[in-house]
Amino acid sequence: DAGVTQSPTHLIKTRGQHVTLRCSPISGHKSVSWYQQVLGQGPQFIFQYYEKEERGRGNFPDRFSARQFPNYSSELNVNALLLGDSALYLCASSFTAMNTEAFFGQGTRLTVV
Amino acid sequence: ELKVEQNPLFLSMQEGKNYTIYCNYSTTSDRLYWYRQDPGKSLESLFVLLSNGAVKQEGRLMASLDTKARLSTLHITAAVHDLSATYFCAVDIASGTYKYIFGTGTRLKVLA
Repeated sequence: DAGVTQSPTHLIKTRGQHVTLRCSPISGHKSVSWYQQVLGQGPQFIFQYYEKEERGRGNFPDRFSARQFPNYSSELNVNALLLGDSALYLCASSFTAMNTEAFFGQGTRLTVV
Repeated sequence: ELKVEQNPLFLSMQEGKNYTIYCNYSTTSDRLYWYRQDPGKSLESLFVLLSNGAVKQEGRLMASLDTKARLSTLHITAAVHDLSATYFCAVDIASGTYKYIFGTGTRLKVLA
C-alpha cells in the first residue's frame, strides 16, 4: 500500500520566489496536515485540511497558504520566500479530522538561497 | 501557551545500557505519540498511547503514559547502535483545531 507521498523531495529556491509543495494522502484518508521542521527542532503545525476545508492554521504568516483537492491531495504554497523558510516540510494524512493517528510522508527539503 | 518538553535533549550512551527519555506536556490530552527520525528523513511512528496508564513495548523500547502527571516516558533497554536517532513525542490537541504539538526532540547516540 502506498503511504503518504510528497513531491518534490528536494527543492532550491531564491529569496522572493514562490514555491508549491504537493502531498498525496494514504488512500481513504480525508485529512491532510502540513508541518514545518527547521533543522534541529521539532515539527511545527502549519495547516490542517479535512474534506477540502481548512480546519486549522498554525502561527505562520499569510505568505503560507494551502488547499485540498476533491481527491484529497493537497498543495502548500509559500510566497515571497525568506531564508528562514528553509526547512523540511512534512505532510501528514489521517482518516478523519480528529482523534486519529497521523501518518507522515517523507517530506520536502526546501532550501532558500 | 501549550508546551511539550523533552529531556534530555541530547543523550550519549554505551551499548547495553538502559535509559529513559521524558516527555512533559502542559495541556490536557489523552493521546500521545512517539516518533523516531533519522537524519534527513521523515518521522517513523513508534508508539500510539491512547489512555492513562497505557504501556506499549516494541523490541528494546517501551513507552508509557500518565495523563494525570502529563508525562510520558520512553525507556530504552540494553541499547544498541541501531537505536541512534532523534526521538520526538507529540501530543494530540483537538480543541477546535486538530494538530500535534511536538516536543523538542531527544538526540540519542549509542556508542559501540
